[in-house]
Amino acid sequence: SQQGEEDPQALSIQEGENATMNCSYKTSINNLQWYRQNSGRGLVHLILIRSNEREKHSGRLRVTLDTSKKSSSLLITASRAADTASYFCATSLKTSYDKVIFGPGTSLSVIP
Amino acid sequence: KAGVTQTPRYLIKTRGQQVTLSCSPISGHRSVSWYQQTPGQGLQFLFEYFSETQRNKGNFPGRFSGRQFSNSRSEMNVSTLELGDSALYLCASSFEGLNYGYTFGSGTRLTVV
Repeated sequence: SQQGEEDPQALSIQEGENATMNCSYKTSINNLQWYRQNSGRGLVHLILIRSNEREKHSGRLRVTLDTSKKSSSLLITASRAADTASYFCATSLKTSYDKVIFGPGTSLSVIP
Repeated sequence: KAGVTQTPRYLIKTRGQQVTLSCSPISGHRSVSWYQQTPGQGLQFLFEYFSETQRNKGNFPGRFSGRQFSNSRSEMNVSTLELGDSALYLCASSFEGLNYGYTFGSGTRLTVV
C-alpha cells in the first residue's frame, strides 16, 4: 500500500450533508496536508496540520490527526455542489523532509 | 499576487521527441516541485528544487530532468518520449520547505502519440 491512502475511494452525498474522508499513512510525518482538485486542473491547498497538532478548522473544513493511529480525517460540513472534486491527503515525511507524497484521492460528488 | 504559471497548457508530441515544460513560481517562493499525474498511478513526485539545487528526486528514469534558475523559475525536460509519459504535469511552489503547503499551477497536459 502507499504512504498515504484515502478512504473511501468515492463518495456521493446530497447537498447539505456532511462528507468525511479518511487518510492513513505508514511512516512518521512532519505534517499532513489536504488538497482539492477540480476535474483535471491544479490542486488547491486546503489545510495543513503539523504532527504535534490534533485538530484544525478552516471555514467548513475540520481536519483531525491521530499520529498514534497514523491517520487523519477531513470533514466538510454542509456540503455544496461546488465541493464536488477529488480530495487528496499529502504527507511530508520525517525521513525526507522536502518530499511530499500524495495518496490516490477520494472522489466526492455532491448532488444538488 | 500572481499564482504559479505553467506553460504551455497543452502539448502533443511524438514518441522519441523531447519536451521542455516551464513553471514560474509565486514571487518569493524558492522551492519548486514537479509531479506527474496519471489515472493509473495518481500523483507521483518527480523532483524538488530549492535555490537552484535539486534537493529531492522521485523514482523516475534519467529521461526526466529539471533545473531551476536564479529567479526561481523552473523547467523540466523529458527526452526520448514514450507513450506512457502522457500525463498532466503539475508544478508546485512553496515559500520555504513544506510547512507552508504548496501552491499548484494548472498543469501542462502532455499527450505523446
